[in-house]
Amino acid sequence: DAGVIQSPRHEVTEMGQEVTLRCKPISGHNSLFWYRQTMMRGLELLIYFNNNVPIDDSGMPEDRFSAKMPNASFSTLKIQPSEPRDSAVYFCASSTDRNQPQHFGDGTRLSIL
Amino acid sequence: DQQVKQNSPSLSVQEGRISILNCDYTNSMFDYFLWYKKYPAEGPTFLISISSIKDKNEDGRFTVFLNKSAKHLSLHIVPSQPGDSAVYFCAAFDGSSNTGKLIFGQGTTLQVKP
Repeated sequence: DAGVIQSPRHEVTEMGQEVTLRCKPISGHNSLFWYRQTMMRGLELLIYFNNNVPIDDSGMPEDRFSAKMPNASFSTLKIQPSEPRDSAVYFCASSTDRNQPQHFGDGTRLSIL
Repeated sequence: DQQVKQNSPSLSVQEGRISILNCDYTNSMFDYFLWYKKYPAEGPTFLISISSIKDKNEDGRFTVFLNKSAKHLSLHIVPSQPGDSAVYFCAAFDGSSNTGKLIFGQGTTLQVKP
C-alpha cells in the first residue's frame, strides 16, 4: 500500500519567495494533518482537515501560511512570502479518523536562505 | 508549556537487553497515547498505542505501560535489537476535543549497541 506521499523532499529557496508543499494522503483516510518539526519546538500541528474541511488551524503561525485541501487525495501548504525562520521539516499525516493513529509522510525539508 | 515531556534525550542499551523509554504528561484530559519511531530522513512511524482505560498494551517485543495517577507512560522493548536504534516520540490525544491534535514529546534517541 502506498503511504502518505509528500513533495518535494527538499526545497531551498530565497527569502520572499512563495513555497508550496504538496501532500497525497493514504486513500480512504479522511483526516489530514500538517506538522512542522524544528529543533526548538519539536513536532507541532499546523492544521487539521476532516473530509477536506479545515477543522483546526490554530497552529498556523501567521497569515503568510495557508493550507488547502481541494479534494480527498490532495493538499497543499503554502508560505508566501517565505522567511528564514520558516526553515524546518514539514510533515503531512493522514488517518482514517481523528482519533486513530496518524500515518506520516517522509517530510519536506525546507531551507529559506 | 510542554504538556508531554520526554526527559531523557538519549538512551543507550546493549543488544538483547531491555530498553525503557519514559514519557510524562500534564493534561489529565489526555485519553489516548501513542508511540512513534523515527529514522533519519523519514517520517515518524506509528508503533503502538494505549487507551486511558487500559494500563498495558503489548505488541510483540513492544509493551506500553500507562500509570494514570502518575501521568506517566513507558515503552518497553524486549529484547532490543540494533534495528531499533531510532528517535522515539511519545504523543498524547484528548478525545473530548474536536481537533485531531496530537501533542508530541521532544523525543528520545535510542541507540542499541551490537
